[in-house]
Amino acid sequence: GENVEQHPSTLSVQEGDSAVIKCTYSDSASNYFPWYKQELGKGPQLIIDIRSNVGEKKDQRIAVTLNKTAKHFSLHITETQPEDSAVYFCAASRPPRGSSASKIIFGSGTRLSIRP
Amino acid sequence: DTAVSQTPKYLVTQMGNDKSIKCEQNLGHDTMYWYKQDSKKFLKIMFSYNNKELIINETVPNRFSPKSPDKAHLNLHINSLELGDSAVYFCASSQVPGGRLPDTQYFGPGTRLTVL
Repeated sequence: GENVEQHPSTLSVQEGDSAVIKCTYSDSASNYFPWYKQELGKGPQLIIDIRSNVGEKKDQRIAVTLNKTAKHFSLHITETQPEDSAVYFCAASRPPRGSSASKIIFGSGTRLSIRP
Repeated sequence: DTAVSQTPKYLVTQMGNDKSIKCEQNLGHDTMYWYKQDSKKFLKIMFSYNNKELIINETVPNRFSPKSPDKAHLNLHINSLELGDSAVYFCASSQVPGGRLPDTQYFGPGTRLTVL
């Protein structure tokens, strides 16, 4: 079945440095890759997403890259700030089969800590 | 002006009891979901409804029964609670016609269920 692996599980970076989180997916039909940020005591919130027809997308300090051949996608956060500390989830989704619905498969999460 | 709301935020109960969690979204979305997040932060989909119709039903014990009185509400009823049911349960919604396309999901704040 579909599987999304995420690394690392924890990441600590100095404030101002960059952070990179990597994910791989198993289903080659996956075509939508969102990234969610979950702060303590809150639900996950979408921060950026990418569809399979593009290789890179950027939004201010956040960028996501997608390598469909290798089935890899990554989140890059530059100039990290204390408020970037949270758990980040990658996810992948494919078009539904038959009459079923599309569903998102989440990675296992990365706990990012920004050191002051 | 909360987009996706859940009640209660915390729920502590004894093994064997029956409990319900309520979810409401005011985004006008057609599709709603229930996710379970375990102690290791792993997010797994349980159910999805589109316009009051069940479209995703993962391998979840029959003790869990979702109910959607209208497309803005998706409640989760759990019978005969077990220790292993302790987790954070998240409701989410997305504007996906028929649930057949991957789309942004908006999560509620979560309900932390503790079974003693």
